[in-house]
Amino acid sequence: DGGITQSPKYLFRKEGQNVTLSCEQNLNHDAMYWYRQDPGQGLRLIYYSQIVNDFQKGDIAEGYSVSREKKESFPLTVTSAQKNPTAFYLCASSWEGARTDTQYFGPGTRLTVL
Amino acid sequence: KQEVTQIPAALSVPEGENLVLNCSFTDSAIYNLQWFRQDPGKGLTSLLLIQSSQREQTSGRLNASLDKSSGRSTLYIAASQPGDSATYLCVTFGYGNKLVFGAGTILRVKS
Repeated sequence: DGGITQSPKYLFRKEGQNVTLSCEQNLNHDAMYWYRQDPGQGLRLIYYSQIVNDFQKGDIAEGYSVSREKKESFPLTVTSAQKNPTAFYLCASSWEGARTDTQYFGPGTRLTVL
Repeated sequence: KQEVTQIPAALSVPEGENLVLNCSFTDSAIYNLQWFRQDPGKGLTSLLLIQSSQREQTSGRLNASLDKSSGRSTLYIAASQPGDSATYLCVTFGYGNKLVFGAGTILRVKS
């Protein structure tokens, strides 16, 4: 079954902790993306990667970090520097960009800071 | 900077009604516009993608139009069903090489 998986579905974090959200795809897509969704707002881009070992900051990268060591994996770390991390996080992937093809989204991870 | 606005923010209709969701965008320099569906607590599913050179796309009971000059797109849903209840997101992809999302329209179709 081809697709994007995210884990865990729900994640709870204490103040001051770093947590890592997993995103894996077996669609052989070159590009991968992380978005944050807050109630009443559109999705906002955190980081994206067009190719292995390369990634770019999106609009709200502060307090987040990523790595792209493998084509199929793009984990997101939410660091203690992120002031308001409670949100729904969505990972997506696409062919070389979204110019002619849609992005395919994972099911999301809901992060709650206690 | 591209801004995408969706109206209405929420809509409740009886089953069987035809309905229109509206999307406006401020920068017409886009490669494409997409409509996504999001079910509660889930990821997004692409419904229709309209390239900038196209005027509309159709899939089943869904029809999306694009008017770049006026910065508008509409999603038409015919004969709505309770299973259509979801949040519908309008998304542009522009020359800045990134997607810009609207906040969405929450649709509820009552049986």
